[in-house]
Amino acid sequence: DAGVIQSPRHEVTEMGQEVTLRCKPISGHNSLFWYRQTMMRGLELLIYFNNNVPIDDSGMPEDRFSAKMPNASFSTLKIQPSEPRDSAVYFCASSSGLAGLVYNEQFFGPGTRLTVL
Amino acid sequence: KQEVTQIPAALSVPEGENLVLNCSFTDSAIYNLQWFRQDPGKGLTSLLLIQSSQREQTSGRLNASLDKSSGRSTLYIAASQPGDSATYLCAVREDSNYQLIWGAGTKLIIKP
Repeated sequence: DAGVIQSPRHEVTEMGQEVTLRCKPISGHNSLFWYRQTMMRGLELLIYFNNNVPIDDSGMPEDRFSAKMPNASFSTLKIQPSEPRDSAVYFCASSSGLAGLVYNEQFFGPGTRLTVL
Repeated sequence: KQEVTQIPAALSVPEGENLVLNCSFTDSAIYNLQWFRQDPGKGLTSLLLIQSSQREQTSGRLNASLDKSSGRSTLYIAASQPGDSATYLCAVREDSNYQLIWGAGTKLIIKP
């Protein structure tokens, strides 16, 4: 298995531009998580999908952030418009099983390093 | 509210030594605990996952223990190597909750 795949690996953009981050979870996994990691705040959960449905988006910082999961093998995280404070590493993770009910090890992608100038 | 603490924040030891990384959590009602490794500029690699009913898990030179009642987990690394240098994070999953509660990590440096 190729593991969780994220693209792009690095993104440099200017303030105000739209940014789209992509994630392909591990085949067969039905839970998908988007995280943001910064030096100041560590790892923060942004949004969680189960069976392609957003279950909890309370971690999404602002309306400028949106996430979709149109099918079991693809998810996007969009920032529009981007701001310098959005600069961080964004991770996607996936796991199998139902939330809170079964064994649920999370596997992480390599991350997208976003720099907003 | 669950809080996860990892002490020390950084650790430097000579190659070949056995070492222990610590993780403590405030609420013992956990579902499982997971140890991760993060290399600079890279993603997180899952090392070991311990279910709440388990006391320890082993993978190669790594051994993770869990003591729910005292709110502690340790990651034991035997015969450390320079390639073990990384940041090690522990994360707790609470009962009936999909969220992982993260420690801040321990940055480990193994000196050749």
